[in-house]
Amino acid sequence: QVQLVQSGAEVKKPGASVKVSCKASGYTFTTYFIHWVRQAPGQGLEWMGIISPSGGSPTYAQKLQGRLTMTRDTSTSTLYMEVSNLTSEDTAIYYCARQNLAVAGKGLDYWGQGTLVTVSS
Amino acid sequence: DIQMTQSPSSLSASVGDRVTITCRASQTISGYLNWYQQKPGKAPKLLIYTASNLQSGVPSRFSGSGSGTDFTLTISSLQPEDFATYYCQQSYNTPRTFGQGTKVEIK
Repeated sequence: QVQLVQSGAEVKKPGASVKVSCKASGYTFTTYFIHWVRQAPGQGLEWMGIISPSGGSPTYAQKLQGRLTMTRDTSTSTLYMEVSNLTSEDTAIYYCARQNLAVAGKGLDYWGQGTLVTVSS
Repeated sequence: DIQMTQSPSSLSASVGDRVTITCRASQTISGYLNWYQQKPGKAPKLLIYTASNLQSGVPSRFSGSGSGTDFTLTISSLQPEDFATYYCQQSYNTPRTFGQGTKVEIK
C-alpha cells in the first residue's frame, strides 16, 4: 500500500535548521511529485514547495525562498525538506504529500503523517 | 499569487443537512481546484480533484462543481463523520495556495 512515512518530532532553537524526511513506498517513486505543506498550531494549510522525484529544480514559495531546501534520494525513495534560520513562526506540523505527474492539476492524494517542529529558546 | 477565499469560515449543521461551501479564486483557475477534509490531529484527505472529480473511496454524498473563479463543495446529507474542516486548493499554478478553511460543526 502507498505510504509516506515522515521522521519524528523535532525541537529546535531559534536560528537553527531542521531537516525532515519523507520515505515513499508502495508506488513507483518517479511518477509522483512531492509537495510540502505546513500547518501552524490552530491555523490553516500553507503550501511550501514542490519537487520532482526524478530531477530538476524544486519550486519554493516566495515567502520561504532562501531558507528552504528540498532534496531527493532516489536510491532510497526518500525526500527531504530543510528549513534554516528558524524562528517561532516556523513552529508547525510539516507534511509531505504526493501528486500524480500524469494528471494535470490533480490534488494531493496521499499524505505523510506529519512532523511537528517546535522552535523555542 | 492566486488568493483563495472560502465562505463561510465556519458553519453549524445537523446530521442529514445539505451543506454547501464556496471557494473563490482571485483570478481564473479553469477547473484546477481541489477539496480536502481535515480532522483534528490528522493529515488532510483529498475529497474532490479538478473541481468535480470524486477521489477514489470518497462517499458519493460529496460533490464539487464550478469553473473559472467560483467553486462549491456540497455534502448532500451530512453524516457524523463529516464534522471537520474543509480546505480548497488551486492547482493551476505555483504557489499552490489554499483557502483559509471552513469548519463544519455540530448544531
